[in-house]
Amino acid sequence: AQSVTQPDIHITVSEGASLELRCNYSYGATPYLFWYVQSPGQGLQLLLKYFSGDTLVQGIKGFEAEFKRSQSSFNLRKPSVHWSDAAEYFCAVRSGNTGKLIFGQGTTLQVKP
Amino acid sequence: EPEVTQTPSHQVTQMGQEVILRCVPISNHLYFYWYRQILGQKVEFLVSFYNNEISEKSEIFDDQFSVERPDGSNFTLKIRSTKLEDSAMYFCASSPRGPTNEKLFFGSGTQLSVL
Repeated sequence: AQSVTQPDIHITVSEGASLELRCNYSYGATPYLFWYVQSPGQGLQLLLKYFSGDTLVQGIKGFEAEFKRSQSSFNLRKPSVHWSDAAEYFCAVRSGNTGKLIFGQGTTLQVKP
Repeated sequence: EPEVTQTPSHQVTQMGQEVILRCVPISNHLYFYWYRQILGQKVEFLVSFYNNEISEKSEIFDDQFSVERPDGSNFTLKIRSTKLEDSAMYFCASSPRGPTNEKLFFGSGTQLSVL
């Protein structure tokens, strides 16, 4: 069965430091992968997606993610974190033919001044 | 950017009562979804809806749940007889082109509390 694992429930980084949020997936075919962000009181906003092609994808707000098939990973990165990046981050894989997404547990990012 | 709107933002109900959660998807979108997130757990798929019928539903989406697009603009989720375990944040989402479209637009959610 398809699944997504985000090993880190909570991460704290200092403002200006680099960030990497981990995501591992289990999916039989070529996965369609997504990262969403949820700020308090807000809906889920798409940061970036991977469907095919270049394995390094760029997203909004300075985020990028790299698809590594050999590691079944799709880690999210940002070179310099801003205080406004504090939020919950969800990795997801699309399943089947109806657009259904399977989400990971989420990683809460806290940014220290 | 256009938004998916959900009302109310918070709903409190007594166990056994019926609740209707409302969503206004983006106007030219054709595919609609409900997800939920129980506190501390993953966001879970409930149901997808296209062309006035359910296209896929999860095992969570039992006979107590139903969805409807009553007037061409709203998309509702009804829970007929709420249980304590239905307490969760419910997210509505829509997309313009469905399964091959890569982007789901999510609303900000309705927090349902069943007492």
